[in-house]
Amino acid sequence: GENVEQHPSTLSVQEGDSAVIKCTYSDSASNYFPWYKQELGKGPQLIIDIRSNVGEKKDQRIAVTLNKTAKHFSLHITETQPEDSAVYFCAASPLQGAQKLVFGQGTRLTINP
Amino acid sequence: AAGVIQSPRHLIKEKRETATLKCYPIPRHDTVYWYQQGPGQDPQFLISFYEKMQSDKGSIPDRFSAQQFSDYHSELNMSSLELGDSALYFCASGKRYQETQYFGPGTRLLVL
Repeated sequence: GENVEQHPSTLSVQEGDSAVIKCTYSDSASNYFPWYKQELGKGPQLIIDIRSNVGEKKDQRIAVTLNKTAKHFSLHITETQPEDSAVYFCAASPLQGAQKLVFGQGTRLTINP
Repeated sequence: AAGVIQSPRHLIKEKRETATLKCYPIPRHDTVYWYQQGPGQDPQFLISFYEKMQSDKGSIPDRFSAQQFSDYHSELNMSSLELGDSALYFCASGKRYQETQYFGPGTRLLVL
């Protein structure tokens, strides 16, 4: 089955700097890669996703890149703000409709004012 | 916009008791997924339903069962609770032929 590895487990950056979180996956059949933000006591919130036919996707300060050959994808957050502090999870699933998500271990991102 | 609704939000049970968690998907979503998240862990897939039929099964203990009803809401039934069942339980909803899953706020279960 699919296995998703996520790094780093914790990340601390100064406000205004950029943050990068990386994930690798094992199953070449995976084609859908969402990123979720989870704040304390809340459910995971989808912030961006990418499908295998796209190499990069951007939404304001957030971007995701995908390298299918190397089986890795990354989340980039620019101009970080204190409210970006949270745990971020990457996930993978086959692009065949409703399928279970396999999550990475999570990254605790702290933005220092 | 309407979101996934889960109830109860918090639940405290004794060992060997039973618990029922409910999930109401986003309107017009027909697929429901259940995930379990232990402290400091990532969400682990338990089970999913589409049109009242189980569509996939993950690491769900035999003590747990779930079903989806005609109005698409779902219930997760947990029996013979163990201390290790203490966790956050999330429901996510989506549409059958779309990959995007939207998570609810979760039910925090504490087994004493």
